[in-house]
Amino acid sequence: AQSVTQLDSQVPVFEEAPVELRCNYSSSVSVYLFWYVQYPNQGLQLLLKYLSGSTLVESINGFEAEFNKSQTSFHLRKPSVHISDTAEYFCAVIMNTGFQKLVFGTGTRLLVSP
Amino acid sequence: DGGITQSPKYLFRKEGQNVTLSCEQNLNHDAMYWYRQDPGQGLRLIYYSQIVNDFQKGDIAEGYSVSREKKESFPLTVTSAQKNPTAFYLCASTRTSASSYNEQFFGPGTRLTVL
Repeated sequence: AQSVTQLDSQVPVFEEAPVELRCNYSSSVSVYLFWYVQYPNQGLQLLLKYLSGSTLVESINGFEAEFNKSQTSFHLRKPSVHISDTAEYFCAVIMNTGFQKLVFGTGTRLLVSP
Repeated sequence: DGGITQSPKYLFRKEGQNVTLSCEQNLNHDAMYWYRQDPGQGLRLIYYSQIVNDFQKGDIAEGYSVSREKKESFPLTVTSAQKNPTAFYLCASTRTSASSYNEQFFGPGTRLTVL
């Protein structure tokens, strides 16, 4: 069985500071990895994904995540956050076989203050 | 514009009443999903359907029922058997092509409060 762990339920940070949201996964087979963002009372939006190839993936709004197979991690980083980045962030995995079931972490609430 | 709609956005019901949440997509996607979101628990899969007239239970199907009579629609009924129905419910859909990965698109969600 696969699982996703997001150890930080909430991360407070000041505007323009760097941030890292941690994600670790466990799976006995190869996986696809995702970060989703959810703004208050809205659905989820795909932020970035790792399917194969380069282990560093980037989003259009400055976030990046690095797939580390040896540490089974997929941490999300941004060098300088904005107030508008305040949201909940979910890490998720799909097993690279059979029915594509998304397994989500419990989420990390990023709170950016001035 | 193509997308997924869920209605209503907020729903209030008395305890013991069944309630049906709507999910409609015009993306021509084959597969549809229902998730439940609770604070601090992430999203959990309730039911999914890979094709019309077929659906399977997810991880927390007890107290819920679904139907898939049309490709575009996948309504979820929260029955009185669901012990703790107050939650945020999200619908999603995806293609089922031969590709190894098909992105799931999410609707805006329905917040159900049982009084």
